[in-house]
Amino acid sequence: DIQMTQSPSSVSASVGDRVTITCRASQGITAWLAWYQQKPGKAPKLLIYDTSNLQSGVPSRFSGSGSATDFTLTISSLQPEDFATYYCQEANTFPSFTFGPGTKVDIK
Amino acid sequence: EVQLVQSGAEVKKPGESLKISCKGSGYSFIDYWIGWVRQMPGKGLEWMGIIYPGDSDTKYSPSFQGQVTMSVDRSISTAYLQWYSLEASDTAMYYCARRFRRYYFDYWGQGTLVTVSS
Repeated sequence: DIQMTQSPSSVSASVGDRVTITCRASQGITAWLAWYQQKPGKAPKLLIYDTSNLQSGVPSRFSGSGSATDFTLTISSLQPEDFATYYCQEANTFPSFTFGPGTKVDIK
Repeated sequence: EVQLVQSGAEVKKPGESLKISCKGSGYSFIDYWIGWVRQMPGKGLEWMGIIYPGDSDTKYSPSFQGQVTMSVDRSISTAYLQWYSLEASDTAMYYCARRFRRYYFDYWGQGTLVTVSS
């Protein structure tokens, strides 16, 4: 099975900050990676798919990059509504797709 | 508007059976795979498996193979997740979600909380 790790596990940031979250796969997954945002008590929301494609309706301050085993999610200017937990998900190893453990972004 | 509406919270005893549901609307239900994701209390997301309503083709993650059963009723645009004998470790929030592109999920249900306790 592919193992996914994320760093940091949590980050404290202020409104307006640039925030970068890293996701690493234990083996190459080409570009089959997505990012989700989850707020407490809510279902996850798809932000980015295929490493860098912005899902419809998602603000352009969110961006993704990477390839093979190393990927990043960047929030260019953190907004109050962005405080949440972020998960990466690989879509390479059918049917055992794996989510990362999550990165919590909270208010500094 | 695409919607996935899940059944309500359940409290069960170990050994009991359970079937939770996920009703799709606002799109052609039979044309999109429906997946299930587990989130144990305070923990991350786990991909359980996926079912194609068009022909009930089902793929389980090895971690959940034999532990749960996925099914659909096309006539009422509803997908199901079923347990035959619950364990305390099944206590979790369960989400259904619609497959998007590769094997991502673009629309999610609101979640069904399953609590298993003696």
